[in-house]
Amino acid sequence: EPEVTQTPSHQVTQMGQEVILRCVPISNHLYFYWYRQILGQKVEFLVSFYNNEISEKSEIFDDQFSVERPDGSNFTLKIRSTKLEDSAMYFCASSGGGAAGRGQPQHFGDGTRLSIL
Amino acid sequence: SQQGEEDPQALSIQEGENATMNCSYKTSINNLQWYRQNSGRGLVHLILIRSNEREKHSGRLRVTLDTSKKSSSLLITASRAADTASYFCGFMEAAGNKLTFGGGTRVLVKP
Repeated sequence: EPEVTQTPSHQVTQMGQEVILRCVPISNHLYFYWYRQILGQKVEFLVSFYNNEISEKSEIFDDQFSVERPDGSNFTLKIRSTKLEDSAMYFCASSGGGAAGRGQPQHFGDGTRLSIL
Repeated sequence: SQQGEEDPQALSIQEGENATMNCSYKTSINNLQWYRQNSGRGLVHLILIRSNEREKHSGRLRVTLDTSKKSSSLLITASRAADTASYFCGFMEAAGNKLTFGGGTRVLVKP
C-alpha cells in the first residue's frame, strides 16, 4: 500500500540553525500538509499546500516557516532560525483527488522528531 | 476554541472486551476522521465519516456521528492486545481542509 515517507526520522539541531524536513507524499495525491505534535500534546495543523501554493496556514506557521515542492515528488518544511519551542514531532500528510480534495482521508508519515538544543 | 475534545483520556480493558471513546467538537464539519497512533509512530487512518452520515463500519471498528450533538464515537469490538495505542479524532470544518485534532484516548488492552 502506498505510504507517505519522511526523512530524517530524527534531527538534532542547534538553536538558531536552519532545518529542512523532507517528505515524499503518496504519488497521486494533490494536497499536502504539515502538522506537529509537541510531546504529550495534541497534533496541531501547520500548513496545507495545493497547486504549488499554500492554501491554509495556522498561527504557528509564521515567517520562520516555509514549504516547498521542489520537484514532482518531494515536499519540504523549512524552519529558518530554530527555537527551543520548535522541538516536536513533525508529520507530513497527503490526501487525494476531488474537486477540492476535501472529504478525503489524510495519510500521515511516521514523522521527524526535531530536537533543538 | 475550535479544538476537539476526547474522552476518556485513558482506557484500560481486558482482551475481548469492547472499547468506546468519544469525540466532541464545536463547529460545523465536512467530515470527521479517526486515527490510531502507536508510540513513536505516525497517525494511521482508520475511518472517515462525512457530515451526512450517521454510522460507518470497518472490520471491528464502528464509528457514529451525531451532528446535532456535535459528537462522534469510536467503538472497537472484541479488542486485542495489538489494539493498544492512542486514538485521535480529527475533524474537518465546513470550510478549509485542515484537520483539528482532539487530545486523544490512550487505550491499553491487557492480554
